Amino acid sequence: GAVVSQHPSWVICKSGTSVKIECRSLDFQATTMFWYRQFPKQSLMLMATSNEGSKATYEQGVEKDKFLINHASLTLSTLTVTSAHPEDSSFYICSASPPGLATGEQYFGPGTRLTVT
Amino acid sequence: TQLLEQSPQFLSIQEGENLTVYCNSSSVFSSLQWYRQEPGEGPVLLVTVVTGGEVKKLKRLTFQFGDARKDSSLHITAAQPGDTGLYLCAGGHNQGGKLIFGQGTELSVKP
Repeated sequence: GAVVSQHPSWVICKSGTSVKIECRSLDFQATTMFWYRQFPKQSLMLMATSNEGSKATYEQGVEKDKFLINHASLTLSTLTVTSAHPEDSSFYICSASPPGLATGEQYFGPGTRLTVT
Repeated sequence: TQLLEQSPQFLSIQEGENLTVYCNSSSVFSSLQWYRQEPGEGPVLLVTVVTGGEVKKLKRLTFQFGDARKDSSLHITAAQPGDTGLYLCAGGHNQGGKLIFGQGTELSVKP
């Protein structure tokens, strides 16, 4: 099956600093990747759609200047949380859909737990 | 705005019991996926259904897509503690497009 990895799996940072999270598709190329945020025992909340070679598309209410997304290659998208604050603490998950799948299912990374102190 | 209403949101049962999780929408989807997620991990795809009326089985799990492709259900027979987790339904329209997620069902199966 399609494999998506994320790095790091967890990170602790101080308030005001920036954190970068990487999402890689290991065995397929992904022109589109998705970034989600998840709170405990809740569903996934789509933050943005990452498009290779172009600007990301952000969902309503998500600050694009705070959550910077770069999709520089067909296998790598990064999410940078800038000037992090404790309220940014969450579980961040990325996903991608292998090309040729007409059904549109997505394969998810293992997630990154961000704690801002 | 497309919505997927998933119910129940929480379910606590004893080992051996049966259960059904529902996912309903007023919108038509081209496909619907079911995922299972364990704490601290990403969701794992269980099944994709694409044809109205379709039924798929995965061991003790039975997935059904409504005739009108607006709703779906997940039935687990003889639940086991290993079935514990967060179950998510998600509707999609095309390859590479974003998914619409239900609220999730937190299932706890007690031995």
